[in-house]
Order: sequence, then C-alpha cells, then structure tokens
Amino acid sequence: EPEVTQTPSHQVTQMGQEVILRCVPISNHLYFYWYRQILGQKVEFLVSFYNNEISEKSEIFDDQFSVERPDGSNFTLKIRSTKLEDSAMYFCASSAGQGLYNSPLHFGNGTRLTVT
Amino acid sequence: DQQVKQNSPSLSVQEGRISILNCDYTNSMFDYFLWYKKYPAEGPTFLISISSIKDKNEDGRFTVFLNKSAKHLSLHIVPSQPGDSAVYFCAARGFGNEKLTFGTGTRLTIIP
Repeated sequence: EPEVTQTPSHQVTQMGQEVILRCVPISNHLYFYWYRQILGQKVEFLVSFYNNEISEKSEIFDDQFSVERPDGSNFTLKIRSTKLEDSAMYFCASSAGQGLYNSPLHFGNGTRLTVT
Repeated sequence: DQQVKQNSPSLSVQEGRISILNCDYTNSMFDYFLWYKKYPAEGPTFLISISSIKDKNEDGRFTVFLNKSAKHLSLHIVPSQPGDSAVYFCAARGFGNEKLTFGTGTRLTIIP
C-alpha cells in the first residue's frame, strides 16, 4: 500500500537555526498537509497546500514557517529560526481530494524535532 | 480549542469483546468525521470515516455511528483483538475546509 514517507525521523537543532523537514506524499494525491503534536497535546493543523499554493493555514503557521513542493514529489516544511516551543512531532499528510469526495488524510510516521 | 472532545483518556477491554470509543463535537459546521489509530513512534493511521449525510458506516470489524442531533460519534470494534491496542483519535472537518480538528485521543488496551 502506498505510504507517506518523512525524513529525518528525528532532528535536533539549536534555537535560532533553520530546519527543513521533508516529506514524500502518496504519488497520485493532490492535497498536502503539515500537522504537529507537542508532547502530551493534541494533533494540530498547521497548513494545507494544493495546486502549488497554501490553501489554508492556522494561526500557528506564522512568518517563521514556509512550505514548498520543489520538484513535484517532495513537500517540505521550513522553520526559519527555531524556538524551544517548536519542539514537537511534525506529521506530513496527503489526500486524494476533499469536499464532495471527502477523502481521508494519510499520514507519515513523523519527524521528531527537538530544539535545544 | 475544545471543538472535538474525547472524554475517556483510556479504555480497557477483554479480547473478543466489543470496544466502544466515544467522541463529542461542538461545531455544527463539521460534516465529515474520521477515526485514526496511532501506535507509538508512528503517524496516525486512517481507520474509517463518515459523512454527515449518514448515521452509520461499517468496514469489517469497525463501525462508526454518528448522532448529529447529539453531536456525538462512536467507534465500535468487534471483536476486539490485541493488535487493536493503540491510541484512537477522532477528527472532524467542515465542508470546504482543509483543516482536520482532532480530539485528544483514547488509549485502548485489549486484555488477552
């Protein structure tokens, strides 16, 4: 069964550094997402991406965050200047479509980001 | 943001019996609901979904029930198996929205 893959599985960085989290969504999917889960808290929506642009973002997704689909297969999340509170598990997800099609999101196994 | 609530943080069920996981929501604009299962160190795995035009959806051992008037959904697993031990999340989405809103999860333990 096709799956969403994320790299690296664990990233440790110092506060103020830039990090890029990488994802390869399922190949025929059209919608791409980033979610995160801070330890002990809910899974939270960050951003959705469709047709090479952000279609929706949460209040968490401020100017420090950006997403890109550079080559038609990878989907990346960049955090420009990491803060301690960015430490979390970051999940990439993709889906075939939404609205009338109501297709579910398929998640990767996540990247654990630790900011020290 | 408590739009989706799972009030039971944990549940233990004997193998072979029925597991019932519950979820309540407050946003009447939600029209698509999903259940995910999550093992440690893995991402959420999609289990089953239901749209607001239905009140029941079944897939093998998993059945989701939706009671729109009560803003309540439940996931039934029968018979429960040891491999079902995991954290279960319900999630909801409004029509035309991209964002899934997750509950806090219920840890299900199946006792052999």
